[in-house]
Amino acid sequence: EAQVTQNPRYLITVTGKKLTVTCSQNMNHEYMSWYRQDPGLGLRQIYYSMNVEVTDKGDVPEGYKVSRKEKRNFPLILESPSPNQTSLYFCASGGGRSSSGANVLTFGAGSRLTVL
Amino acid sequence: AQSVAQPEDQVNVAEGNPLTVKCTYSVSGNPYLFWYVQYPNRGLQFLLKYITGDNLVKGSYGFEAEFNKSQTSFHLKKPSALVSDSALYFCAMGAGGFKTIFGAGTRLFVKA
Repeated sequence: EAQVTQNPRYLITVTGKKLTVTCSQNMNHEYMSWYRQDPGLGLRQIYYSMNVEVTDKGDVPEGYKVSRKEKRNFPLILESPSPNQTSLYFCASGGGRSSSGANVLTFGAGSRLTVL
Repeated sequence: AQSVAQPEDQVNVAEGNPLTVKCTYSVSGNPYLFWYVQYPNRGLQFLLKYITGDNLVKGSYGFEAEFNKSQTSFHLKKPSALVSDSALYFCAMGAGGFKTIFGAGTRLFVKA
């Protein structure tokens, strides 16, 4: 089954304790992205990657890091989490011609993070 | 600047009645528009998209959307709502490449 898999699905942590949220896709998609979802704000893009070793900032990158060492994996790293990073996080991937602008994204089930 | 607006935080409808979830957009040029649905504890799922051509787009689960260029709208519709349609709906716009701009979301409640 074509899917995007995120782990963990739920996490409660404390301020300053480094954590990583993993994301893996099995569709051979070149594009992968991380979003955070907050009430009333919709989805805001954190980071994205057009291919292996190619990453770029989205709209809200502060406090986050990413890496893309393999095509299928795109982990999100919070080096020193703070309470304002409490949110619902989604990983997404996309395939097809990147120039079209009409590309459909496939989303993971989400990771709910609470930082105390 | 490109933007997507969903003017209603919540829409309530009785089962069996038609439903409409509103979306307006702002872009210079021709838009690529999408609707996604998010069920509880699930990721967003693609419903339908408009690229060009027929202004009425049909998608999954009996949903359709009407593109109106003069009103810059892309409203999601369904002739007869089901309780199982209750979910969070996002309108989105392609902003070049894979970049996608999402609206804030509209929560749909369908009452039995």
